[in-house]
Amino acid sequence: GEDVEQSLFLSVREGDSSVINCTYTDSSSTYLYWYKQEPGAGLQLLTYIFSNMDMKQDQRLTVLLNKKDKHLSLRIADTQTGDSAIYFCAETPGGGADGLTFGKGTHLIIQP
Amino acid sequence: EPEVTQTPSHQVTQMGQEVILRCVPISNHLYFYWYRQILGQKVEFLVSFYNNEISEKSEIFDDQFSVERPDGSNFTLKIRSTKLEDSAMYFCASSALASQETQYFGPGTRLLVL
Repeated sequence: GEDVEQSLFLSVREGDSSVINCTYTDSSSTYLYWYKQEPGAGLQLLTYIFSNMDMKQDQRLTVLLNKKDKHLSLRIADTQTGDSAIYFCAETPGGGADGLTFGKGTHLIIQP
Repeated sequence: EPEVTQTPSHQVTQMGQEVILRCVPISNHLYFYWYRQILGQKVEFLVSFYNNEISEKSEIFDDQFSVERPDGSNFTLKIRSTKLEDSAMYFCASSALASQETQYFGPGTRLLVL
């Protein structure tokens, strides 16, 4: 079945860039997402990318997709304390009503 | 900005009891979903719903679970006879169209089964 893998923790200093990585196995993945979950809160959609793109930029966020290696990354520029959260990578093959397959999430820890 | 809402935010129940979790999806959305997240684990897909019927469901979504859209706004998840292992955060999500796959999530209902 499909699988999505992420490292569990990432620690960065405030002001540095954070790069959160994700790999997936499903070659039919059409849509790839990054969601953010703050403590005790729900899942907030941060950004998404279609599989026919290799980069998407949205303010401080840059998503890079290497479809050949099935590797997705999320770069957060100028990381702030408010960026401290769990970041989930998710994918779906598309088709209207497909459920998302999530990774376990990466805890982003910001050091002052 | 429109958002998905869920009630209650927390629910505590005894093992064997029935629970109904409620969701109000974004109003012009057509696809509805339930996910769960057991503490410390991945978010897992349970079921998707379109045109008043289940579109897809995972292995987790067994006969103890059912979904319903009782009116034009609510989308519910019923667990008939709760088990300890049903304790989790349950997320509802909705998306607009077949060509628009982005799913927007509600804040979740934390269910604790004692």
